[in-house]
Amino acid sequence: GESVGLHLPTLSVQEGDNSIINCAYSNSASDYFIWYKQESGKGPQFIIDIRSNMDKRQGQRVTVLLNKTVKHLSLQIAATQPGDSAVYFCAENIRGDYKLSFGAGTTVTVRA
Amino acid sequence: GAVVSQHPSWVICKSGTSVKIECRSLDFQATTMFWYRQFPKQSLMLMATSNEGSKATYEQGVEKDKFLINHASLTLSTLTVTSAHPEDSSFYICSASSVSGGESYEQYFGPGTRLTVT
Repeated sequence: GESVGLHLPTLSVQEGDNSIINCAYSNSASDYFIWYKQESGKGPQFIIDIRSNMDKRQGQRVTVLLNKTVKHLSLQIAATQPGDSAVYFCAENIRGDYKLSFGAGTTVTVRA
Repeated sequence: GAVVSQHPSWVICKSGTSVKIECRSLDFQATTMFWYRQFPKQSLMLMATSNEGSKATYEQGVEKDKFLINHASLTLSTLTVTSAHPEDSSFYICSASSVSGGESYEQYFGPGTRLTVT
């Protein structure tokens, strides 16, 4: 699989490979994290979430890893497909504050 | 479940006019709705938070007199861009949530409204 360094805006991945998208967060009080997928001209679509009392959560073809020590979040997509091409955002939420704070986003392009 | 709609999906208006965007939660009651603005190739920036029956809370730098928000019911919030100018052209996205007990929660996003001011 391929990985992208923190804050890099794009990731190109071969169809069938695994993708890893990284995100850094700054607020140690954040206790809920979400990954969203946004296709061109559409609203964000929920992918997976994780609370701060966990360090890993798996969904269908996706896994989110949380490292609270270094305030780092990652999204792994297994067997990346053309339909996975989109912009991926991480978002964080602080307990008691209903607002979400979004990261800069990573554009994933899947090569056939 | 948890479907949020926006209307219109796109709108073109002339500079100086006002535009209203609707956000509806279709299958749940949204105690809180949020309005975001997204410029091309940028992230979502929260503009304001609205709770049903009360005044909206605006983020720093967002003009409340320019972006009027009304959350009159548990299923409808509206954003009115008053005296629109070309720099207001953007993708406006709403989200809705049902909050209880002060716990962290998920927001359900609408499909967005593309505003172009000429």
